[in-house]
Amino acid sequence: GQQVMQIPQYQHVQEGEDFTTYCNSSTTLSNIQWYKQRPGGHPVFLIQLVKSGEVKKQKRLTFQFGEAKKNSSLHITATQTTDVGTYFCALDNAGNMLTFGGGTRLMVKP
Amino acid sequence: DAGVIQSPRHEVTEMGQEVTLRCKPISGHNSLFWYRQTMMRGLELLIYFNNNVPIDDSGMPEDRFSAKMPNASFSTLKIQPSEPRDSAVYFCASSFTGATNQPQHFGDGTRLSIL
Repeated sequence: GQQVMQIPQYQHVQEGEDFTTYCNSSTTLSNIQWYKQRPGGHPVFLIQLVKSGEVKKQKRLTFQFGEAKKNSSLHITATQTTDVGTYFCALDNAGNMLTFGGGTRLMVKP
Repeated sequence: DAGVIQSPRHEVTEMGQEVTLRCKPISGHNSLFWYRQTMMRGLELLIYFNNNVPIDDSGMPEDRFSAKMPNASFSTLKIQPSEPRDSAVYFCASSFTGATNQPQHFGDGTRLSIL
């Protein structure tokens, strides 16, 4: 099956600093989804990327899909304490199933 | 709109007991997924239903686990007999599956502790 590596596993930042998490696949992807899970909560869908080289923004969050459609990144500008949580990428398998990455846990110091 | 509803929210039971987790997907969604989340193994897909039919159960750990979806608005995940290593958070998620993959909507999860 598809392999997905997400790095880093953990990231501590000072509030106001930027944050980036990376997702790498062993195969070319049809699309990729990103989810956020707050501590004690459940994963919540953020965005889906479909096109090669696609860049989408949601306020301070910027999502990018690689040209080869094998990697993706999520960048948060000027982190806030509300950004705390674990960010997952999820790969679209054939048959409508997702393979979730291991997640990057973001901690923000006020 | 009501989201995915799971029950119970928490379950603590002794090993060997039968555990039944319940899920009500979002109305109109035709796909349902059961996941297990642990620190060691992350978020794992256990089983996927489409139109109430199990499509892929390759993630079900062993015969002690079984899942059913008798109708479009209800699914159960059963563990019998339960073991301490089954302790985890179990999530149910639903989506509408058409030509392309759609976002999955997760329930609040069931936190299961097997003593």
